[in-house]
Amino acid sequence: RKEVEQDPGPFNVPEGATVAFNCTYSNSASQSFFWYRQDCRKEPKLLMSVYSSGNEDGRFTAQLNRASQYISLLIRDSKLSDSATYLCVVTLFYGGSQGNLIFGKGTKLSVKP
Amino acid sequence: DAGITQSPRYKITETGRQVTLMCHQTWSHSYMFWYRQDLGHGLRLIYYSAAADITDKGEVPDGYVVSRSKTENFPLTLESATRSQTSVYFCASSEGTGIGELFFGEGSRLTVL
Repeated sequence: RKEVEQDPGPFNVPEGATVAFNCTYSNSASQSFFWYRQDCRKEPKLLMSVYSSGNEDGRFTAQLNRASQYISLLIRDSKLSDSATYLCVVTLFYGGSQGNLIFGKGTKLSVKP
Repeated sequence: DAGITQSPRYKITETGRQVTLMCHQTWSHSYMFWYRQDLGHGLRLIYYSAAADITDKGEVPDGYVVSRSKTENFPLTLESATRSQTSVYFCASSEGTGIGELFFGEGSRLTVL
């Protein structure tokens, strides 16, 4: 089983739709979770961190389910500009503050007019 | 301007040649990373550095060498390039590993013929 797994998509949705991505992780010791966004032929950029209690940033909601070992990203009222690849990132700590970020392969979202 | 810059952005070389990809950051971040991104694999960590003169291997270090004599620079050298090292290489920095946000450079696209 891969350490971090994502549905590669693509998810093709119309503008205004709500879309959700899931990401599963295999190591129960994972401690920090993030969603990054990567536009075509660009560098990844942090979209949001994922907290245990869940968190929201405008149209974006991230949730963590430790029992089932998955995180999710919900995008409401999709915009054309949301078209990108969304990367799930999980961190394992090996002691102290030294950690290792594990990237999922990404889920591609295409929002159509 | 503050940020993280990579050079060259595009490079074509031949098998067996030595290639050095440069990475420079102006934030004085302690941690720096080199990733490669390939279709079907996502982002994979090559090497990382916790501070000047401290480097460590990531998931795919074979065929690569790094150094960090100054906090702001983290060059990646392919000592004898192979076709399998054709990839997009991203440098990143952060204040801590797995704690905060990773800031990526724009990437260096390397083709080995």
